Amino acid sequence: EVQLVESGGGLVKPGESLGLSCTASGFTFTNAWMTWVRQAPGKGLEWVGRIKSKTDGGTTDYAAPVKGRFTISRDDSKNTLYLQMNSLKTEDTAVYYCAGSNYWGQGTLVTVSS
Amino acid sequence: QTVVTQEPSLTVSPGGTVTLTCASSTGAVTSDSYPNWFQQKPGQAPRTLIYSTSNKPSWTPARFSGSLLGGKAALTLSGVQPEDEADYYCLLSSGGARVFGGGTKLTVL
Repeated sequence: EVQLVESGGGLVKPGESLGLSCTASGFTFTNAWMTWVRQAPGKGLEWVGRIKSKTDGGTTDYAAPVKGRFTISRDDSKNTLYLQMNSLKTEDTAVYYCAGSNYWGQGTLVTVSS
Repeated sequence: QTVVTQEPSLTVSPGGTVTLTCASSTGAVTSDSYPNWFQQKPGQAPRTLIYSTSNKPSWTPARFSGSLLGGKAALTLSGVQPEDEADYYCLLSSGGARVFGGGTKLTVL
C-alpha cells in the first residue's frame, strides 16, 4: 500500500521558520519527482515546488511566492521529502500536501499568525 | 506568471457527459504543458485523475478521459455518477514551474 505521510505542521509567528517532512512508502521513492502543494483555507490548490529524482539531476523549482524563502530537499535513504520554510508570512497559512508518482499525502496544516 | 483558467462551476445530470477545460494565458495548451487533472472532494486530499494529457493511474474510472481540445486541455466525464460531484483542478507546466487552475466545482444534479 502506498503511503505519503506529512508531518511538522503547526502554529508559528510571522517571520519564523518551520520544517515539514513527508515520508513515503509503497513505491520507488528514489525514482520519483516529488512535489509540495498547498491549499489555503477555503481556496484552491497552489503549486509550491518540486524536486527531481537524483538520476534526473535532483534539481528544484519553486513558485514565485515562495522562491528564496522555501527549500525542498530529499533523503532517498530515508524515503523522505522535506520542505524548509523560512521568513513565513500570514499568507503561507495552508494545508501542505506532498505528492509524487501520482500519489498524494493527507496534508499537514501550517498556520502563520501573531 | 502564467495564469491557468478553468470554468468556475458546471452542472451535469446523472448519466450525462460534461467537459471541463483548462486554458493558459501564454497560448495554446499542448502536450508539452503536461496537463494533469485532479479531483478533490470536501475534507479530502486531492487525487490524481489524469497525467500528461491523457494517461490514467490505475484507480481512475474509465468514464474519465483527458485530451487537448481547441487549444486547451480537457477533462471529459461520460456517464457521470453522483459521486463525481467534486472540485476538479488542472495543472500545467510553465517553464520549470507548474501552475494550477482555479478549479471547477462540478455539481451533479
